[in-house]
Amino acid sequence: DAMVIQNPRYQVTQFGKPVTLSCSQTLNHNVMYWYQQKSSQAPKLLFHYYDKDFNNEADTPDNFQSRRPNTSFCFLDIRSPGLGDAAMYLCATSRYGHAEQYFGPGTRLTVT
Amino acid sequence: QQQVKQSPQSLIVQKGGIPIINCAYENTAFDYFPWYQQFPGKGPALLIAIRPDVSEKKEGRFTISFNKSAKQFSLHIMDSQPGDSATYFCAARPGGTSYGKLTFGQGTILTVHP
Repeated sequence: DAMVIQNPRYQVTQFGKPVTLSCSQTLNHNVMYWYQQKSSQAPKLLFHYYDKDFNNEADTPDNFQSRRPNTSFCFLDIRSPGLGDAAMYLCATSRYGHAEQYFGPGTRLTVT
Repeated sequence: QQQVKQSPQSLIVQKGGIPIINCAYENTAFDYFPWYQQFPGKGPALLIAIRPDVSEKKEGRFTISFNKSAKQFSLHIMDSQPGDSATYFCAARPGGTSYGKLTFGQGTILTVHP
């Protein structure tokens, strides 16, 4: 089945220790999104790619970076995680020209 | 103006009941209104979506009602089941874009008792 895959599902990192979360998709969608979702809140868009064109949200902290080496993969790098960065991180995809977004299962990040 | 306001925050119904979740928006540029269902520890799943040129859309037990003049839309779940217990998010996307920055509502935690 075509899908959005996120690894790892659970990640524990130490305060200030860089961490990378990964997302892959078999849908061949050219748009990929990263969202942050804190407990009992709606997903908050961090940035998105249309192909290799990177679009950062104005309020996304500089601590968050992203890479998209090819159509299938996208990475979220948190350079110096703080306690406030503990959240579920969701990857989503969509096809250019289509509104529907499809989410992966998420990575739960814990910062100790 | 970019906000989507969702209510109620939580909702409890008995099995077979018809929970209704409401959303309201201000931005008349929104042209796509999806609903997502999210189970604990999982990513949101697209449930059903509507565009403003129709007033109602049904998919199985899920129905979206859309009132363009009032700038409101709602999700109805017919014959609700305990397996429908989840958090539901409405969202909206502005027109004129070829892909979607979604603005989400705050979410509604639905509990369906057996």
